[in-house]
Amino acid sequence: EVQLVESGGGLVKPGGSLRLSCAGSGFSFSNAWMNWVRQAPGKGLEWIAQIKSKPNGGTTDYATPMKGRFTISREDSKNTAYLQMNTLETEDTAVYYCATGGLGLDYWGQGTLVTVSS
Amino acid sequence: DIVMTQSPDSLAVSLGERATISCKSSQSLLYTSDNKYYLGWLQQKPGQPPKFLIRWASSRESGVPDRFSGSGSGTDFTLTISSLQAEDVAIYYCQQFYTTPYTFGQGTKLEIK
Repeated sequence: EVQLVESGGGLVKPGGSLRLSCAGSGFSFSNAWMNWVRQAPGKGLEWIAQIKSKPNGGTTDYATPMKGRFTISREDSKNTAYLQMNTLETEDTAVYYCATGGLGLDYWGQGTLVTVSS
Repeated sequence: DIVMTQSPDSLAVSLGERATISCKSSQSLLYTSDNKYYLGWLQQKPGQPPKFLIRWASSRESGVPDRFSGSGSGTDFTLTISSLQAEDVAIYYCQQFYTTPYTFGQGTKLEIK
């Protein structure tokens, strides 16, 4: 069974940083393309970033508003993907999901809540 | 960025009746190299993460009931639930994976009438 478990969310002050983790199991993590998607309270889904598998180059892509502030990475030896978030703003308050896939977002974790507030 | 626009924003349908949700993309999602539409549909029930229902505009994922179907071409796509069940109450999103940044429609909230 595919499982994705996000962690690292919490309360952070504006201007602060946070690193989210996504641990995967039940599938070949090293061959999976990993994504982060967020959902602000009561709002829709917003794709943040993707990292391809190393066999596919390991390259990264970002939504325009996140470029320069957010960094996606992966550690295949730990079956884990990360999202480093810097210079956080109140508008970044959301549930952050990781999801597998490059041709459709196949599997999703339960999400981790990030609250940016003073 | 490709803009995805869904209609309606909300929909109330009686149990056993048909529900139809539309999704329009700002450019074609057809990849000519494989003749596939890079369009998916997701379902999000209250308090849960999204679930991937349909890929390539019309291909149901394993385990998805056959009352769910997808269709469309070019820039216009449709999700149809042929006979609404109580467990289908959810928000439905279309999403393009033709190119990054991947983008979603704004969502359609489906309720029971």
